[in-house]
Amino acid sequence: EVVLTQSPDTLSLSPGEGATLSCRASQRVSNAFLAWYQQKPGQAPRLLMYGASSRATGIPDRFRASGSGTEFTLTINRLEPEDFAVYYCQQYGTSPPYTFGQGTKLEIK
Amino acid sequence: QVQLQESGPGLVKPSGTLSLTCSVSGGSIDSINWWNWVRQSPGRGLEWLGEIYHSGSTTYNPSLQSRITMSVDKSRNTFSLRLSSVTAADTAVYFCARRYYGNNYWQFDHWGQGTLVTVSS
Repeated sequence: EVVLTQSPDTLSLSPGEGATLSCRASQRVSNAFLAWYQQKPGQAPRLLMYGASSRATGIPDRFRASGSGTEFTLTINRLEPEDFAVYYCQQYGTSPPYTFGQGTKLEIK
Repeated sequence: QVQLQESGPGLVKPSGTLSLTCSVSGGSIDSINWWNWVRQSPGRGLEWLGEIYHSGSTTYNPSLQSRITMSVDKSRNTFSLRLSSVTAADTAVYFCARRYYGNNYWQFDHWGQGTLVTVSS
């Protein structure tokens, strides 16, 4: 099973600042099967990025993702109030189970 | 616009069977997608349970292999989850989700709103 470890657990920032979230895999993950989600309280996860760096439909370009192998990063530029939420990475490669990271909570400072 | 909606009992007794259905609207379940179940609890975070194709082909999380069954009903455009021998550890919010192939990538692009299932006597 691929274990995804996200860091930091909590990130405290102010609107207008930039955020960098990390996701480290216990073994190599194909870029094609690495995704990022945003989740707000009481809601389902919302797909932000897939294929490690492609934005999902309707996602603003201040969200960017990169990485390969075992190290992946989600960057959010110019934080908006609606960006404060919990973010998860997920891998869904060829060998189930598909797994999620434990999440990074992005909170308002 | 594809929409998914979970339904089923919110309370299940220990050792019983959890049964949930996901209704798909705005699209056919008989398409090139995989239909998934994911659950979320404070102690276990987001946990992928398994997925099913419209043909009935399934892939399950090995940790649940002995207790999980998924099925699809093309006539009703729904797919279902059954989890047997439940314990308090199975208490969670259960989501259904679509794994869709688009722009050359598979994506979990649509999710249901989630339904809370509590295991308690």
